[in-house]
Amino acid sequence: QQQVKQSPQSLIVQKGGISIINCAYENTAFDYFPWYQQFPGKGPALLIAIRPDVSEKKEGRFTISFNKSAKQFSLHIMDSQPGDSATYFCAARPGGSRLTFGEGTQLTVNP
Amino acid sequence: EPEVTQTPSHQVTQMGQEVILRCVPISNHLYFYWYRQILGQKVEFLVSFYNNEISEKSEIFDDQFSVERPDGSNFTLKIRSTKLEDSAMYFCASSAWVGEKLFFGSGTQLSVL
Repeated sequence: QQQVKQSPQSLIVQKGGISIINCAYENTAFDYFPWYQQFPGKGPALLIAIRPDVSEKKEGRFTISFNKSAKQFSLHIMDSQPGDSATYFCAARPGGSRLTFGEGTQLTVNP
Repeated sequence: EPEVTQTPSHQVTQMGQEVILRCVPISNHLYFYWYRQILGQKVEFLVSFYNNEISEKSEIFDDQFSVERPDGSNFTLKIRSTKLEDSAMYFCASSAWVGEKLFFGSGTQLSVL
């Protein structure tokens, strides 16, 4: 019940396209859903996060869509750029407790 | 932006040896964490630490692991007798308060031979 399932495992998108990564969870106690971006040799860096009281949050080219009834949330990257090529992790946690990460998505944006 | 600093960036050790991984969290942060990432797998929680005590630990964090804040700036993870399966990237993280944004360091790549 602590798991967060992420898909796809890898994604290739053309420059200017939309990248979409999906996550699903089971634990209804989760109340914070961040997305992390990780470049090779670096630690995960918080990209954007959402709480379940809203269905969408947008920051620049990055949008989280959240569907509480389906227990799913997704990251949309608009106008994808080669510099967005990285590994993306969704995560979730209940209250201030530990983060549970998804398996990660390797995004490649071709020029 | 303030950073979490980890040293060393790479550590190679023999099976059965003790290792200490070091971290300097962001200076005004109160909550400290260790996570690890085995190559090609997801990031996994190990332990959280607040007010000089472990506040939460995972099933991975067994008696071979310990954490310490030896002074006002450092936060360490000790693995008493390393196993091959301890080989992973270990990330330190800190947050100003529980539930606040987590800042991760760049990690220590531990290789156990």
